[in-house]
Amino acid sequence: DTAVSQTPKYLVTQMGNDKSIKCEQNLGHDTMYWYKQDSKKFLKIMFSYNNKELIINETVPNRFSPKSPDKAHLNLHINSLELGDSAVYFCASSRGRMNNSPLHFGNGTRLTVT
Amino acid sequence: QKEVEQDPGPLSVPEGAIVSLNCTYSNSAFQYFMWYRQYSRKGPELLMYTYSSGNKEDGRFTAQVDKSSKYISLFIRDSQPSDSATYLCAMSARAGGTSYGKLTFGQGTILTVHP
Repeated sequence: DTAVSQTPKYLVTQMGNDKSIKCEQNLGHDTMYWYKQDSKKFLKIMFSYNNKELIINETVPNRFSPKSPDKAHLNLHINSLELGDSAVYFCASSRGRMNNSPLHFGNGTRLTVT
Repeated sequence: QKEVEQDPGPLSVPEGAIVSLNCTYSNSAFQYFMWYRQYSRKGPELLMYTYSSGNKEDGRFTAQVDKSSKYISLFIRDSQPSDSATYLCAMSARAGGTSYGKLTFGQGTILTVHP
């Protein structure tokens, strides 16, 4: 009954590979996000989707492509992985379009690029 | 200068102590202020949510916002070992356009409460 679930939990891959991270929420929220947490624990937004529509794209390299097949799912595909992509990627969701709707986070996908 | 500054610590206190965690920010547009708690290998979970200036209390936790000083605080009373975690402040501007859902986080403060 996890609210926001991400798979896989850990991902180890080599430079140049393409990988995907999946996210699903069962909270009935209509807005979903991808955040990146670097080694210094800074969390930074990458994308947000509202009802499958891209709302925020925070100057993320176009090697990163989010896909939202429906409002309960937001997947992240990464092409040509680089060492600097190593981080923890968090999916999150919220209700509505307003800033006063708190975000609910998944437990993260720890990506290591070697 | 980062938009949100937070001392990463680490902060170590004995059980039962009052803990004070703080963030400063530079963006006057921030209206919504949050504190998240993050346990190791887990996602952040919302602790406190405040709109504009003022205080909010929830059990052992009190959040304070002083917009005139661009300063927010989280107080934990009677701290417990289970409070040991990273505490992240986060804030966002008014709703509208592409800004909604965009939280700006502090670096997080690592807190350890020892028995």
